[in-house]
Amino acid sequence: DVKVTQSSRYLVKRTGEKVFLECVQDMDHENMFWYRQDPGLGLRLIYFSYDVKMKEKGDIPEGYSVSREKKERFSLILESASTNQTSMYLCASSTHLTGGGEKLFFGSGTQLSVL
Amino acid sequence: SQQGEEDPQALSIQEGENATMNCSYKTSINNLQWYRQNSGRGLVHLILIRSNEREKHSGRLRVTLDTSKKSSSLLITASRAADTASYFCATDTLGGNNRLAFGKGNQVVVIP
Repeated sequence: DVKVTQSSRYLVKRTGEKVFLECVQDMDHENMFWYRQDPGLGLRLIYFSYDVKMKEKGDIPEGYSVSREKKERFSLILESASTNQTSMYLCASSTHLTGGGEKLFFGSGTQLSVL
Repeated sequence: SQQGEEDPQALSIQEGENATMNCSYKTSINNLQWYRQNSGRGLVHLILIRSNEREKHSGRLRVTLDTSKKSSSLLITASRAADTASYFCATDTLGGNNRLAFGKGNQVVVIP
């Protein structure tokens, strides 16, 4: 089975701190994604990557950056954490299928609280 | 980007009953997927239906897709307490570079 592992289940940080959220997948998937999930807003795409060293902005990239130095690892970086970035962060991966239809495999999520 | 929207938002049913939830979307799609999320966990893929399909089954799940109405429904038959979760639809839009857009989710509580 595919396993997507997020480094922390819960994280508490202070405003202004630099925060790293790590995600590792073990199925050699090309695609990796970072979403945030907030009550009443569903999942919103922050950044995604279709290949090593490649990144694309999602719908809400402001205040975030990402790094994909290795195929299996996709990191989300909050350069200067703010309270409005308190959220559940979900990492996902998928393989590439010609014609689309890839299903996403999700990690268990990181609940980040910024105080 | 487009988002699916599930309706109703919350559903409470007795074990053994069927649960139906709907999803609407705004633009043309390649496919539509349904995911389940247990409380505080990541999402798990349930089923995918392509734009040229009208109905699909997987175990106790039945998904329909009406592209003319831009809507889909997910039916869970003979519900169990373990089906208690949030259910999300996600659309893969035409020309959307295979990015999935998720709806806000539909909470289902199955009472034993």
